[in-house]
Amino acid sequence: GDSVTQMEGPVTLSEEAFLTINCTYTATGYPSLFWYVQYPGEGLQLLLKATKADDKGSNKGFEATYRKETTSFHLEKGSVQVSDSAVYFCALSPSGGADGLTFGKGTHLIIQP
Amino acid sequence: DAGVTQSPTHLIKTRGQQVTLRCSPKSGHDTVSWYQQALGQGPQFIFQYYEEEERQRGNFPDRFSGHQFPNYSSELNVNALLLGDSALYLCASSTPPGRGNSPLHFGNGTRLTVT
Repeated sequence: GDSVTQMEGPVTLSEEAFLTINCTYTATGYPSLFWYVQYPGEGLQLLLKATKADDKGSNKGFEATYRKETTSFHLEKGSVQVSDSAVYFCALSPSGGADGLTFGKGTHLIIQP
Repeated sequence: DAGVTQSPTHLIKTRGQQVTLRCSPKSGHDTVSWYQQALGQGPQFIFQYYEEEERQRGNFPDRFSGHQFPNYSSELNVNALLLGDSALYLCASSTPPGRGNSPLHFGNGTRLTVT
């Protein structure tokens, strides 16, 4: 079946550091890929998505590129802020994203001032 | 514009009991999905409802059942509760698959503790 593997946390960085959170997936066909973020005390929010190979999703300074050859969708940000502290989930969907998602276990990101 | 709302926010039940959780979708959405998020884990897909019918189901036993009402709101029922059912239960709404690429909008969840 489909699966998503993302790097274990917590990941602790200083403000303005460069961020990479690795995500790889296993799926048949051509899934859509997503990053969701969960801030403390809040529900999951869609951060960005990509629906086909070589697409780049971007939002709030975060970027991720759909790499079919390496089955990866790594999340990056050039300069993190304390407000980026949250749990980040990589996910996939067999189609556009409104059907059942398969999530990774999440990566807790802590940004220190 | 109200987003996805879930009730109650917290719930404590005893092993063997039954529980009902409720969800109202975001305005304009008619598809509701339910997820279980155990502590320290990612959400796991339980099932999805559209047009008052279960359209997709994840790998969960029949103890987990649901319902969707004509106003698109939904309930998740869990019978014969086990300690392992303790989790955050998330509801998400969207437009149906195949009709646009509406992303899922999640509620803040119901925290269920089984003792």
